[in-house]
Amino acid sequence: GENVEQHPSTLSVQEGDSAVIKCTYSDSASNYFPWYKQELGKRPQLIIDIRSNVGEKKDQRIAVTLNKTAKHFSLHITETQPEDSAVYFCAATSNSGYALNFGKGTSLLVTP
Amino acid sequence: GAVVSQHPSRVICKSGTSVKIECRSLDFQATTMFWYRQFPKQSLMLMATSNEGSKATYEQGVEKDKFLINHASLTLSTLTVTSAHPEDSSFYICSASGSGGTEAFFGQGTRLTVV
Repeated sequence: GENVEQHPSTLSVQEGDSAVIKCTYSDSASNYFPWYKQELGKRPQLIIDIRSNVGEKKDQRIAVTLNKTAKHFSLHITETQPEDSAVYFCAATSNSGYALNFGKGTSLLVTP
Repeated sequence: GAVVSQHPSRVICKSGTSVKIECRSLDFQATTMFWYRQFPKQSLMLMATSNEGSKATYEQGVEKDKFLINHASLTLSTLTVTSAHPEDSSFYICSASGSGGTEAFFGQGTRLTVV
C-alpha cells in the first residue's frame, strides 16, 4: 500500500518567515495530493491540493509543488502569521477513491 | 465546500459497552465514506472504506467484528465500536466523497473515551 513520509515533525518559524514541509510517497499510482491543517481537537481542513498532471499550484500565501519522478511534494507557506500555527498533514491517494494515506504530521509554530 | 456532520462530538462509555457514531452528508450524496482514527499527537489512520449498499473494506489490522460499519444510504454511515475497551479511546473522524471525483470532506470528529 501507499506509504507517506513527512518532514519535519516540528517546525518553528518567526512571523513573516517562510515555512516548508516536505512529503514523499511510495505508490507511483497516487495522483492526488492534498494538504490539511488541523487545529487541536478539530477536523482537518483542506488548505490546498494538487493533482499529478500539475507541477505547482499557488493560492495566496500557500503553494504546493509536486515532483512525480522523485515522488515528493512540498507545502510552502510564505509570510507566516501566528494563526498559521497548527498541525499540517500531507496525504496521497490514487484514482481508486479518496481513501487518504496521511503523513505523520508537522506541528508548525509561528512566533510573533 | 460540502457539509459532513458527525455525531456525537464527544462520548464517554463504560468498558464492555457499544457506541455508535453517525456520519451524515448534509448537502450531497456520499457514494463513499471513510472512517479514520487518530490517537493523541498522531496522524489519521484509515480504518475502513464503505460504499453505499455494500460491505465495508477494512484496512489491515482493523477488526471488522469490533468496528461495525453500515452505509445503508447515500447520506448516512455509522461506525459502531462494540465491546469498547479503554484502548479504543481515540478521536474518530469520518469523511465522505461523492461521485464524479469530488474531494473528501471531513466530519467534525468524535472523541471517544472508554472508562
